[in-house]
Amino acid sequence: ELKVEQNPLFLSMQEGKNYTIYCNYSTTSDRLYWYRQDPGKSLESLFVLLSNGAVKQEGRLMASLDTKARLSTLHITAAVHDLSATYFCAVDYPGAGSYQLTFGKGTKLSVIP
Amino acid sequence: DTAVSQTPKYLVTQMGNDKSIKCEQNLGHDTMYWYKQDSKKFLKIMFSYNNKELIINETVPNRFSPKSPDKAHLNLHINSLELGDSAVYFCASSQGAFGYQPSLETQYFGPGTRLLVL
Repeated sequence: ELKVEQNPLFLSMQEGKNYTIYCNYSTTSDRLYWYRQDPGKSLESLFVLLSNGAVKQEGRLMASLDTKARLSTLHITAAVHDLSATYFCAVDYPGAGSYQLTFGKGTKLSVIP
Repeated sequence: DTAVSQTPKYLVTQMGNDKSIKCEQNLGHDTMYWYKQDSKKFLKIMFSYNNKELIINETVPNRFSPKSPDKAHLNLHINSLELGDSAVYFCASSQGAFGYQPSLETQYFGPGTRLLVL
C-alpha cells in the first residue's frame, strides 16, 4: 500500500521567512501533485510534477520532484499572510490495479505578521 | 460559471436515513471522483468514474453508491447513514487518462458537502 507522508504537519512561521515542506512517498511514481486548501474551502491545484527533476514555480511557492529519492518539496520564499492554508501533496499510483491519487495528511501553514 | 459544483453545501440528517449529494462539472472532463475528508482533514478517494466504468475503493462500504446520469454528473447516494459518515465529501473531475493509465492532468475539486449525521 502506498504511503504518502508530509512533514511538518503544522508550521507556524513569520512573514518574510523561508521554509520547506517535505512530501515522501513509499513506492515508485513520477506523478505528484500539490494542492492548497483554505479553511472551510475546496482544494485548489497548485502544481503538477510529471517527471524526475521537475521544478515549477508560482509566486512565492516552488515545487520540485526527485523520483529517485521519492521526495517532493514545496519551498516557500519570503512568506506572506495570504499563504496561510493547508497544503496537500498527492501521488498518482496504481494501487489495486487502477491509478488513483493518494493524499498526504496535509501541512497546516500559519504565517504570522 | 463554476467548474465543479455540488449540492447541497450542508446536510444534517438523522442516523439511518438515506441521502444523496449531487455533483456537476461543466469542464467537459471525462472522469469524475468522490473523496471523503474526515475531521482530521485526511482526504481519501472513494470512487473514480469514467465512461460508465466505475472503480471503487475497496474500503468504501456498499451503503455508498455513485450514480452517473450523464458524463457531466456524478451523484453520491448513501443508504442507512451512520455517525461515522459525518465528513466533508468532495467531488472532483479531470481530463485525460483514467484508471488503468496514469493521469497527466490535475483534478478540479468542487466546494464540498458538509455532512453531519446525528
